[in-house]
Amino acid sequence: EVQLQESGPGLVKPSQSLSLTCSVTGYSITSNYWGWIRKFPGNKMEWMGYISYSGSTSYNPSLKSRISITRDTSKNQFFLQLNSVTTEDTATYYCARAYGSYGDWFAYWGQGTLVTVSS
Amino acid sequence: DIQMTQSPASLSASLGETVTIECRASEDIYNGLAWYQQKPGKSPQLLIYNANSLHTGVPSRFSGSGSGTQYSLKINSLQSEDVASYFCQQYYDYPWTFGGGTKLELK
Repeated sequence: EVQLQESGPGLVKPSQSLSLTCSVTGYSITSNYWGWIRKFPGNKMEWMGYISYSGSTSYNPSLKSRISITRDTSKNQFFLQLNSVTTEDTATYYCARAYGSYGDWFAYWGQGTLVTVSS
Repeated sequence: DIQMTQSPASLSASLGETVTIECRASEDIYNGLAWYQQKPGKSPQLLIYNANSLHTGVPSRFSGSGSGTQYSLKINSLQSEDVASYFCQQYYDYPWTFGGGTKLELK
């Protein structure tokens, strides 16, 4: 059974970079699509982007200048980096395995990690 | 971006009741829609994809329907374990977008 686990700092200062790791067990990240989604206080959800089985990426245009999703296939991990964060980036961040032709729907999710942006 | 308007924002229902949650897209999304359930402190769980396909292991009391811009999630015979938040997600066009969520409580 596939399992995903987010890890990373829970507190980031404004203007710094947010870096999270998603560790995957039970399935290779060289198959399917692997995404990042965040949930803001107040419950709004935002799709941030994905990395595909081939390593190609797609990002939400609202984040395109600040976001990078990469992977380490030897460790079966993929990563989120979000630059120049502000308090508006405070959210619970989820990694997920996506199905469908283009990483359409999210069938398996990590438990989520709360990241607070504050000085 | 495609806007997803979900209604109602909150809902109170009795055990055994049938509940319907709606999601309206700002343009035709051609059945590119998923529904998720999220319980407090837990990660979202996929219920429905392609508007009406039940995800593996999801009880058959959950069903999805709709077309064009209007979609719905129906829960038959509400159980106590169905108390949760529910939200829709479109994947017809990038960026994928989510509805605002519906919080379902027991009456």
